[in-house]
Amino acid sequence: QVQLQESGPGLVRPSETLSLTCTVSGGSISSHYWSWIRQPPGKGLEWIGNLYNSGSTNRNPSLKSRVTISVDTSENQLTLKLSSVTAADTAVYYCASGSVATSGYYGMDVWGQGTTVTVSS
Amino acid sequence: QSALTQPASVSGSPGQSITISCTGTSGDIGGYNYVSWYQQHPGKAPKLMIYDVSNRPSGVSNRFSGSKSGNTASLTISGLQADDEADYYCSSYINSITLGFGGGTKLTVL
Repeated sequence: QVQLQESGPGLVRPSETLSLTCTVSGGSISSHYWSWIRQPPGKGLEWIGNLYNSGSTNRNPSLKSRVTISVDTSENQLTLKLSSVTAADTAVYYCASGSVATSGYYGMDVWGQGTTVTVSS
Repeated sequence: QSALTQPASVSGSPGQSITISCTGTSGDIGGYNYVSWYQQHPGKAPKLMIYDVSNRPSGVSNRFSGSKSGNTASLTISGLQADDEADYYCSSYINSITLGFGGGTKLTVL
């Protein structure tokens, strides 16, 4: 069973770049598709972007210019970078994954526990 | 502003059935069979309950079912239990964007 663990700084200064890592265990990073999703305090879920096992990515148009999603297959890690952060980027950030066999084409059946990021000076 | 529209809250008594709607457009729900539903308890990560409109992942109770009609998807929970009290989110593939979520529905079990 695939397990995901997000990690990164809990506090980021405004205008800096947020960098988060999702470490995958119990499975191959190449056999699934991957998503970053965030949830501001007291609010709903917001999709940030996807990485497919082909290596292609899709990003939320509202964040696209600031978002970079990459993968390190040798380390079984997924990385999210969000540049020029503001207080509006304060949220719990989740890494999630799915596979066609277990969750269809866009469902995500494995989630990390989430990591809280606060943007503040 | 969420891409998909859900009621803010629904409620029901134990044993009853409830339905949560998720309304989109022909560019998302109406055009593709890629609707998923997630359950989220406070302080926890979301859990996938339904994918591809009506499929249940392994381990999810058959009290949860999904359907779609036109631009509206629905999640029905039958035989309500106390532990069903949670927030529920729909998501759908959105043409040229990939994914969008509804604003979430808080289910209260009375």
